Amino acid sequence: EAQVTQNPRYLITVTGKKLTVTCSQNMNHEYMSWYRQDPGLGLRQIYYSMNVEVTDKGDVPEGYKVSRKEKRNFPLILESPSPNQTSLYFCASRQGGPYNEQFFGPGTRLTVL
Amino acid sequence: QKEVEQDPGPLSVPEGAIVSLNCTYSNSAFQYFMWYRQYSRKGPELLMYTYSSGNKEDGRFTAQVDKSSKYISLFIRDSQPSDSATYLCAMSVRNGTSGTYKYIFGTGTRLKVLA
Repeated sequence: EAQVTQNPRYLITVTGKKLTVTCSQNMNHEYMSWYRQDPGLGLRQIYYSMNVEVTDKGDVPEGYKVSRKEKRNFPLILESPSPNQTSLYFCASRQGGPYNEQFFGPGTRLTVL
Repeated sequence: QKEVEQDPGPLSVPEGAIVSLNCTYSNSAFQYFMWYRQYSRKGPELLMYTYSSGNKEDGRFTAQVDKSSKYISLFIRDSQPSDSATYLCAMSVRNGTSGTYKYIFGTGTRLKVLA
């Protein structure tokens, strides 16, 4: 089944404790992206990647890191999480042009205390 | 001012009604316009996309873009309870330096279709 998977689905952590949210897709898509979704602010792009070793900042990259060492994986790293990073995070992937469908993962709900 | 503005609703309509969802935007560089549907506790899924002014129809859904007014709409005909979800507009713009595309989403409109 074609899908985007994220792990963990739920995470409660404390300020300053480094964490990684993994994202993997099995569709051989070149483009992958991370978003956060907050009430009243909607879905905002954090980072995106056009291909292996090619990444670019979205609208809200501060406090996040990404890497794209393999085509299928695009982990999101929070080196020193803070409470304002409490949010619902989505990973997405697509193939081809910018109008092609982005396939979204199921989401990761992160709470930073 | 946000680049994309969308009324958050909620919008409640009776089954069978025609629903109109709208977004306005400020960046004339936006090239592609999309509508996503998001059910509760799920990731968004693409409904429709378009890149030119005018209408595009797909079944009960019609996407409309007016680039001169910087306004896009999604119409749902014969709405069903299964259409109850949050609808997000999205736009993409090319990064002139890197040639990549980034996406800007609206905040979403929550729709409830009453049986």
